[in-house]
Amino acid sequence: DIQMTQSPSSVSASLGDTVTITCRASQGIGSWLAWYQLTPGQAPKLLIYRASTLQSGVPSRFSGSGSGTDFTLTINNLQPEDFVTYYCQQADTIPYTFGRGTQLQIK
Amino acid sequence: EVQLVQSGGVVVQPGGSLRLSCAVSGFTFDDYAMYWVRQAPGKGLEWVSLTSWDGGRKDYSDSVKGRFTISRDNNKNSLYLQMNSLKPEDTALYYCARGRRGELLRPSFDYWGQGTLVTVSS
Repeated sequence: DIQMTQSPSSVSASLGDTVTITCRASQGIGSWLAWYQLTPGQAPKLLIYRASTLQSGVPSRFSGSGSGTDFTLTINNLQPEDFVTYYCQQADTIPYTFGRGTQLQIK
Repeated sequence: EVQLVQSGGVVVQPGGSLRLSCAVSGFTFDDYAMYWVRQAPGKGLEWVSLTSWDGGRKDYSDSVKGRFTISRDNNKNSLYLQMNSLKPEDTALYYCARGRRGELLRPSFDYWGQGTLVTVSS
């Protein structure tokens, strides 16, 4: 199975800050990577697919980059609703695997 | 509006069986592959199963293979997960999810249900 190493596991930031979350695959996955936002009590939300394509309706302060084994999710100008948990997912090979998540906390 | 509405939570004994359902609306169901993803308490997300638009291709994670069966009824716009021989480690919030169109085997999940809590305990 492809292992997805996501870091950091948690990060503290202030409103208006920029944060970057990284995800490293144990083998090359091309651009087959997605990012999700999980808010307690809500359905997960797709933010980015194919490593860098913004899902329709997602604010432009979210962006993704990378290919091969190293990927990043960047969130600019943090808003109150952004302080939840984020996961990466490789879509290259069954079984599709997720990172362990990054909890974004308000400083 | 795309909606995926899941059945309610349940407690089941180890070794027991359960069928989860996911009723969809707001899109042409048989245009899309569908998936199940779960999240154990305090843990991350784990892909469980997939079905192609017509049910012709199905896949499972090793942790559920041979015990769980995914199915769909395109006439009823519904997705199912039959869960047999349940173990305590199957305790999780189970989500149904839609794959982006045309991405059967390289999916990102663009719409999710609200989740069904399955508790396996005696």
